[in-house]
Amino acid sequence: EVQLLESGGGLVETGGSLRLSCAASGFTFSSYAMTWVRLAPGKGLEWVSGITDNGENTYYADSVKGRFTISRDNAKSTLYLQMNILRAEDTALYYCARTLKWEHDYWGQGTLVTVSS
Amino acid sequence: QPVVTQSSSASASLGSSVKLTCSLNSGHSNSIIAWHQQQPGKAPRYLMKVEGSGSYNKGSGVPDRFSGSISGADRYLSISNLQSEDEADYYCETWDNKYWVFGGGTKLTVL
Repeated sequence: EVQLLESGGGLVETGGSLRLSCAASGFTFSSYAMTWVRLAPGKGLEWVSGITDNGENTYYADSVKGRFTISRDNAKSTLYLQMNILRAEDTALYYCARTLKWEHDYWGQGTLVTVSS
Repeated sequence: QPVVTQSSSASASLGSSVKLTCSLNSGHSNSIIAWHQQQPGKAPRYLMKVEGSGSYNKGSGVPDRFSGSISGADRYLSISNLQSEDEADYYCETWDNKYWVFGGGTKLTVL
C-alpha cells in the first residue's frame, strides 16, 4: 500500500524557516518524481514544487522560487521541502504527492504550516 | 502557461447525476488533465486522467459511477447515482513543461 507521511509543519514567524519531510513507503521511491502541493485557508490547491526521480531536475512555482528548495534522499525514501523567508501567504496545509507520468496519483495527509507576524 | 477554469460550485440531488466542467485556455485545448476529489477535512484523492482523445484512466478504487469525457477544450467529470460522500471539492489539474496548474476547484453539494 502506497503511503506518504508528511511532517515538520508548525508555527513560525514571518521571515523564518521550516523544513518539511515526506516519508514514503509501499512503492519504489527512487522510480517516481515527487511533488509538493499546498492548500491555503479559503483557497484552492496550488502546486508548489516538483522533483524528478533521481533528483537532478527541480521545478518551482513563481510564488516560491528563490525561497523554497525541494530535495530527496532516495536511500531514505524521503522527500523534503526547505522553506526560507516565509511569508503570511505561505500559511497552508502542505501535501506531498507521488507523480506517476505527470499526474499526481497518491497524496499524503498533509502538514500544517502557519506563518505569523 | 496553461490556465484551467472551473465553476466555483455545483449541486445535485442524491441519486441523480452531475457533470463538472474544466476549461483549458487557448493553446492547451489538447492537454491531458487529471481530476482530484477532496472531501471535507481529508487529503486530495486522485480520481482519473482524461486524455486529449477523450479516453480516461481511473485511479485505484475509484467507483464506476465516476467517468471522464471531453468536448473541444472542455474536460468533464461525470458522477452518476450521487452519494452523500460525493459532496466534496473537485479539482482539475494540468501540466505544461515545468509547471503544474490547478483549477480553482468546484464545490459539489449533494442535496
